[in-house]
Amino acid sequence: KAGVTQTPRYLIKTRGQQVTLSCSPISGHRSVSWYQQTPGQGLQFLFEYFSETQRNKGNFPGRFSGRQFSNSRSEMNVSTLELGDSALYLCASSLVPGTYGYTFGSGTRLTVV
Amino acid sequence: AQTVTQSQPEMSVQEAETVTLSCTYDTSESDYYLFWYKQPPSRQMILVIRQEAYKQQNATENRFSVNFQKAAKSFSLKISDSQLGDAAMYFCAYRSPQGGSEKLVFGKGTKLTVNP
Repeated sequence: KAGVTQTPRYLIKTRGQQVTLSCSPISGHRSVSWYQQTPGQGLQFLFEYFSETQRNKGNFPGRFSGRQFSNSRSEMNVSTLELGDSALYLCASSLVPGTYGYTFGSGTRLTVV
Repeated sequence: AQTVTQSQPEMSVQEAETVTLSCTYDTSESDYYLFWYKQPPSRQMILVIRQEAYKQQNATENRFSVNFQKAAKSFSLKISDSQLGDAAMYFCAYRSPQGGSEKLVFGKGTKLTVNP
């Protein structure tokens, strides 16, 4: 059974650009969440999606957006990149919200220069 | 808002010995879930153990066990017979049962080193 797949694994972007990160959940999982991990702020919740609907959103500026497709795959987008957006972005999936817990992917390491 | 505090940024243990990682949290809720996740250099967060607040019995998973003290809002992780593969960052996390959300609030983490 394949795990949570995040692509790309590494990404380097320039300030001002935009970026799209992809997450494919475990087959059958319908809930997808995103987290940002930085040395200073730690792990912070970005969004949560279930059946293509955003159920919850963290305290991030509007430059951070996401969506979920009918096959449960999810993308997150960051526009007008800032140096402070450099982070590990982790995706996690679960069967339905409120069940046993997440399975995480290995993340996308985004570096903004 | 709930907060999770891990007061030990780094810990070390000798192989085969026991180590305890500390976690405290702040909440006004009476029912919630607590987790310990492990993050090795591969970056993938791996669930180690899970505790429901309404259960008085401490959760155990093989060499991993917790000491859950609800009144003290404390949730420590004990690793017995430590192995080299246990070396990783360990994160304590809190989840509210409200709204069926999966949102986790994480502590800052504890880096565990296992010495041979």
